[in-house]
Amino acid sequence: NAGVTQTPKFQVLKTGQSMTLQCAQDMNHNSMYWYRQDPGMGLRLIYYSASEGTTDKGEVPNGYNVSRLNKREFSLRLESAAPSQTSVYFCASSEVPSGEAEQYFGPGTRLTVT
Amino acid sequence: GIQVEQSPPDLILQEGANSTLRCNFSDSVNNLQWFHQNPWGQLINLFYIPSGTKQNGRLSATTVATERYSLLYISSSQTTDSGVYFCGRAGSYQLTFGKGTKLSVIP
Repeated sequence: NAGVTQTPKFQVLKTGQSMTLQCAQDMNHNSMYWYRQDPGMGLRLIYYSASEGTTDKGEVPNGYNVSRLNKREFSLRLESAAPSQTSVYFCASSEVPSGEAEQYFGPGTRLTVT
Repeated sequence: GIQVEQSPPDLILQEGANSTLRCNFSDSVNNLQWFHQNPWGQLINLFYIPSGTKQNGRLSATTVATERYSLLYISSSQTTDSGVYFCGRAGSYQLTFGKGTKLSVIP
């Protein structure tokens, strides 16, 4: 039981390049989330998927897109990376939407945009 | 938006000492999580605690929803307790995090 897994662990991009961060969970959870963490800050929600087939914007969605590929997988895409997107990205999942269930986090992806 | 304030922002302890970390919320609390972010950046779930008190070994947490705060107690601290402690208030879909308390336990 791996929990929440994320790939890659580290990535360096040049401004304007695109990439997709992958997330998968093996806990049969319905809800999945993408957060970013900037230095000295708590995590902020980018997008979430309350259930398979649905996605919604969180607090800081600009510059990102998401895809809920199936119940297990939730990807985050940066179409044209900017230095302001340098951050650590965390994926999380919960059995049902956050207010009713505990969230579990992946190990994070450290992204640097130069 | 909803504000989550954590105090103190930094804490240095001698190994074996006890500590109390606090989270205050600007709005009502339905559910709350406490996390430990270790020096490698991993977020470890400590407690899921909407109200009342829970204990897990040397750690315990208390949430007083009516007064909009939660406390995390660490007793007999160890160097492996070092890292950043976050609380997250659960909304309908997201956790709203505080900025964390950075704990350093020195031998």
